[in-house]
Amino acid sequence: EVQLVQSGAEVKKSGESLKISCKGSGYSFTNYWIGWVRQMPGKGLEWMGIIYPGDSDTKYSPSFQGQVTFSADKSISTAYLQWSSLKASDTAMYYCARLLKYSTNDAFDIWGQGTMVTVSS
Amino acid sequence: AIQMTQSPSSLSASVGDRVTITCRASQGIRNDLGWYQQKPGKAPKLLIYVASSLQSGVPSRFSGSGSGTDFTLTISSVQPEDFATYYCLQDYNYPYTFGQGTKLEIK
Repeated sequence: EVQLVQSGAEVKKSGESLKISCKGSGYSFTNYWIGWVRQMPGKGLEWMGIIYPGDSDTKYSPSFQGQVTFSADKSISTAYLQWSSLKASDTAMYYCARLLKYSTNDAFDIWGQGTMVTVSS
Repeated sequence: AIQMTQSPSSLSASVGDRVTITCRASQGIRNDLGWYQQKPGKAPKLLIYVASSLQSGVPSRFSGSGSGTDFTLTISSVQPEDFATYYCLQDYNYPYTFGQGTKLEIK
């Protein structure tokens, strides 16, 4: 079964660092981009960016560039989303998703279950 | 960045109704658009890709159409399990962008 399994919920304080994970299984992890999507409480979906685990190429949304870091360890089929200094406004659910490429088009076909990050000030 | 505007933001429907949700792009995006369904407390689910292609396993009552700047998602006969929030996502260029969502509620 193709799936993405994310790490568990986190409760942190402002200024702390954090790294959450997304582990892929059932497919060739290095051959598909992985995306990250933020959903703040009661709000819509926001595209943060994508990483290609095969060579760690990344594409960040300008809204998130410099605020977070994507990385991947292809030896363990895991992608990561990292903050060096959390803010209360980072409180949100974070989803990872596999980006499937259909010729010139892309779509997120497999999603992780989400990781809730709560940051207190 | 390309802005995606969905309408309506919410709508009420009865089981069996035909429902249409619209997504408009701030510039032409060919047919580089997908539709996603999200139920409360759950991850989004891909319904439609390349504007009109039905993802495997998705019921045929869902359909998508459009190209350029205007796109629609249609549910031909709404079922109880379809009450959810729907999002469009353009994959024409980076950064990809979601619409703000349309919440489909039971009338």
